[in-house]
Amino acid sequence: EPEVTQTPSHQVTQMGQEVILRCVPISNHLYFYWYRQILGQKVEFLVSFYNNEISEKSEIFDDQFSVERPDGSNFTLKIRSTKLEDSAMYFCASAYRGAVQPQHFGDGTRLSIL
Amino acid sequence: AQSVTQPDIHITVSEGASLELRCNYSYGATPYLFWYVQSPGQGLQLLLKYFSGDTLVQGIKGFEAEFKRSQSSFNLRKPSVHWSDAAEYFCAVGAMEGTGTASKLTFGTGTRLQVTL
Repeated sequence: EPEVTQTPSHQVTQMGQEVILRCVPISNHLYFYWYRQILGQKVEFLVSFYNNEISEKSEIFDDQFSVERPDGSNFTLKIRSTKLEDSAMYFCASAYRGAVQPQHFGDGTRLSIL
Repeated sequence: AQSVTQPDIHITVSEGASLELRCNYSYGATPYLFWYVQSPGQGLQLLLKYFSGDTLVQGIKGFEAEFKRSQSSFNLRKPSVHWSDAAEYFCAVGAMEGTGTASKLTFGTGTRLQVTL
């Protein structure tokens, strides 16, 4: 069964550094998402992406965050100037269509900011 | 705004016993509802989904859920729990948007299931 793959599985970064989290969505999917889960808390929506632009973003997704689909397969989340509170598990998800199909999640990237 | 409440933070059941995990949602229109399971260190695996039609939906691993509009609930059930079902279970609601619009999921806080032998 096709899967969403995320790399790296664990990223350790110094505070203030930039980090790029990478995702390869399922190949025929059209809708892409990033979520995060701070340890012990619920999964929170960050951003959705369709047709090469952001569809919706949460209040968490401020100017330090950006997303990009640089080619036909990758979907990236960039965090500029990371903060301690950015430490979390970041999940990428994709869906064939928007609301009418379920989102398939990757195994996540654990981001640790030191 | 949509929201999801999972009132049980932690549930312990014996292997072979039945299970019901509660989920209540708030959404102004007809919701799309999902249950995901997360094993330690793993991602979120879809157990089942409700979009429309039959209010009792079957999922993987022997799970089922019933949508009750009058109670704004979407409880997850399993008749006989196996030790491998120990995990964290998340209920989520998605908005019904136009087909050209991506739709975020709003998750509950999760219920951690412990299975005793």
